[in-house]
Amino acid sequence: DTAVSQTPKYLVTQMGNDKSIKCEQNLGHDTMYWYKQDSKKFLKIMFSYNNKELIINETVPNRFSPKSPDKAHLNLHINSLELGDSAVYFCASSQAFWDSGNTIYFGEGSWLTVV
Amino acid sequence: SQQGEEDPQALSIQEGENATMNCSYKTSINNLQWYRQNSGRGLVHLILIRSNEREKHSGRLRVTLDTSKKSSSLLITASRAADTASYFCAAQRRGGGADGLTFGKGTHLIIQP
Repeated sequence: DTAVSQTPKYLVTQMGNDKSIKCEQNLGHDTMYWYKQDSKKFLKIMFSYNNKELIINETVPNRFSPKSPDKAHLNLHINSLELGDSAVYFCASSQAFWDSGNTIYFGEGSWLTVV
Repeated sequence: SQQGEEDPQALSIQEGENATMNCSYKTSINNLQWYRQNSGRGLVHLILIRSNEREKHSGRLRVTLDTSKKSSSLLITASRAADTASYFCAAQRRGGGADGLTFGKGTHLIIQP
């Protein structure tokens, strides 16, 4: 009964490949996010979806494409992987995007290593 | 601009001592939140303090907020080895969650047994 679950947890792949990370939340939340945490632990928001609609799209290369088939799922597809894409990617969700006082619930992270 | 910068970057103390971590932010906020991240795990929400609050307690945690200085502190009293983790502050900007929460780089806390 994990609240926010993402797969795979570990992914090692070669440069130039295309890969996907899947995320699902069973909390009934309207909003889902993708965050990237680099090697220095800096956590930066990449995308946010509210009820399947894209709300935030930070300065992220267009090789990264999120897909939200329904409000419980937000998948991240990455084309033409580069060495600099190596990081931990966290999926997260919160009750409602526009309310203040949101608590964000995080998944356990997906460790992506591009070689 | 980045919201939420923690200080110090790393802190090592003896078990039983108190640990204090600070956070500074840049713009007006609705609230400030603290999260904890154990090694190899996701972030877990600890406590939220609203912009009209000055202090909040939760168990061994005490958070203060000084909006005039745009700073917050997290105090963990009577630390335990299990408190070893990274601690992040996250600021939610005034005007709603238009950019979610913006996190700092975290303070890595090590509790020596």
